Amino acid sequence: DAKTTQPPSMDCAEGRAANLPCNHSTISGNEYVYWYRQIHSQGPQYIIHGLKNNETNEMASLIITEDRKSSTLILPHATLRDTAVYYCIVRVGNTGNQFYFGTGTSLTVIP
Amino acid sequence: AAGVIQSPRHLIKEKRETATLKCYPIPRHDTVYWYQQGPGQDPQFLISFYEKMQSDKGSIPDRFSAQQFSDYHSELNMSSLELGDSALYFCASSRLGGPGNTIYFGEGSWLTVV
Repeated sequence: DAKTTQPPSMDCAEGRAANLPCNHSTISGNEYVYWYRQIHSQGPQYIIHGLKNNETNEMASLIITEDRKSSTLILPHATLRDTAVYYCIVRVGNTGNQFYFGTGTSLTVIP
Repeated sequence: AAGVIQSPRHLIKEKRETATLKCYPIPRHDTVYWYQQGPGQDPQFLISFYEKMQSDKGSIPDRFSAQQFSDYHSELNMSSLELGDSALYFCASSRLGGPGNTIYFGEGSWLTVV
């Protein structure tokens, strides 16, 4: 019940921007999009989340399309330490407390 | 800043035994989530609690049970352990259950069933 689709893997050159797409075509009006990453069996790390407006923080930017059916996570200057599996998650349920991971994108930053 | 604390970090049990994992959420967080991540797999949502009541249920086996206590810590009890239960178990917490709040994860508890 992940409700999101992501490419299984991507490469990015160190220092360049990494753009990770996510498709969530069945998203409902009150469901937020979250991005997490997991570095080799560590606890998933929160990156950013949004509802309909674009968001930016010290780690990344989140661009959500106007119809909210897809989004893109942007890491502006990828470093080797950004190599991880990135998960796009739509927070579902009346309580918002069902938080399902999909298959994620394995991002490899290349020197 | 305080994070989500899980214990034990590593646990080895034999088949058919029982195991209990504990989770201490970030202070003032009232919602706890449990996840199971098998080798090479993505985290699977098991169950969540809000204000000490079960909130949502995912793919938690009937052999597993969980609860959230008055101090908001949570315990995941796993009985009749099977080899397939060997996995990394994550706990996460958030303040005020609901769709717009950030969920923070602990570092996980490794369970090995032999």
